[in-house]
Order: sequence, then C-alpha cells, then structure tokens
Amino acid sequence: GAVVSQHPSWVICKSGTSVKIECRSLDFQATTMFWYRQFPKQSLMLMATSNEGSKATYEQGVEKDKFLINHASLTLSTLTVTSAHPEDSSFYICSAVSGGPIDEQFFGPGTRLTVL
Amino acid sequence: AQTVTQSQPEMSVQEAETVTLSCTYDTSESNYYLFWYKQPPSRQMILVIRQEAYKQQNATENRFSVNFQKAAKSFSLKISDSQLGDTAMYFCAFMNRGSQGNLIFGKGTKLSVKP
Repeated sequence: GAVVSQHPSWVICKSGTSVKIECRSLDFQATTMFWYRQFPKQSLMLMATSNEGSKATYEQGVEKDKFLINHASLTLSTLTVTSAHPEDSSFYICSAVSGGPIDEQFFGPGTRLTVL
Repeated sequence: AQTVTQSQPEMSVQEAETVTLSCTYDTSESNYYLFWYKQPPSRQMILVIRQEAYKQQNATENRFSVNFQKAAKSFSLKISDSQLGDTAMYFCAFMNRGSQGNLIFGKGTKLSVKP
C-alpha cells in the first residue's frame, strides 16, 4: 500500500513553454502533499506544501507565479512550471502524507524536467 | 528552527562489512520522529527505518539499525552485511509531530558498497 505516482517521469520542453507534473496517491487519500526540487548530488529542497482545497504554502524564495500548485482532490496534486527556462531544469519529487498516526510521507518516483 | 547535519558526504564499505552513517540534529521539541531514507540511482526515495523520539529502544529493520541518543541529539544508521544494492544516497530526516508530515532533511551521505 501507500503508493504515489508521478507523471510524466521525464519531460523535455522548449524555453517559454509550460509543463504540468501530476502527483497521485494511488491507494490512500492525502490531505497534504509536498513538492520538492533536487539538484544533482544534493538533498531535497522543499518548494511548497499543498493542502487539498486550499492554496499551497510556498517556501521562501520559491516563485508562486512560476510554480503553480493545485491540489484539487484528495488523491491528486499538480505542479505547473510556467514559462520554463533552462534554469528550471531539475528533478522534481512529490510526496503524499498518509494521514495515519505518524503523518508519514510517501514519495513519488520523481520527474526529470529538461528545458532547452 | 530544526536542523539536520550529516557530516559524511561520502563513504565506502566492502561487501559484507558493516558501516555506520552519522546524523545529528538540533531541536527544542520533545515529540518528534527521525527517519533514514535511501535514494538509489533510480532516485526513488525509500524509507529505511523510523524512530519515534519517545521510544528509548533503538529501531531495527533486518540489516539496518539505528543508535538513537536523544540527549546527544544523535541518530546514526548501521548497515550490517552490506550488499551491493545498498549503494545509494542516504538522507537523515527529522519530523516534528503535528507538523503535517513536514520533513527536514540532511544533505545526505553517498554510500558505495564495493565488491
């Protein structure tokens, strides 16, 4: 149980276009989802916390107009990178909280974004 | 604010040997959880082991065990009988209870298991 999927697993886009990444909890409902960005050989950097039915909470330094997060249901959160530029190229990981006694995070497999 | 420190950027170990990865953390909270996550080359984050701060007994999962020293704020991971498949990045993480699952990660330790 507690499986989280991400789609797509990788995407290449042209500079200036927008890209949407989906994060789904497949066998549980997640009131909270997190979005991370990871650069090569570095740790996960929290971008935002997404709660179902409300606006996402962004970490300091993360542009909310560039990284649009929508948590429309208890099993789906989306991250849209708007007007992507090469510096947005990175590995994006989502996670979903199971809501059990420990609020454990379960991670998606990640999405590699390359902006040309 | 809570912080997590992993002082070993890289480590290596021979297959079948034992290795210990270090982690220290700083917090003023008393009710929290500590985790070790593994990130293999596939980059899928995998939970290795979890420790609840109120439990004095060290957590164990097969070949993986922790040495949790609450007063010293230390949470090391011991991997016994290392296997080639243990090669990965290992992240120590802290979570304050009641924080909606918000994890604070260390910078990671790259572990290489050599045949």
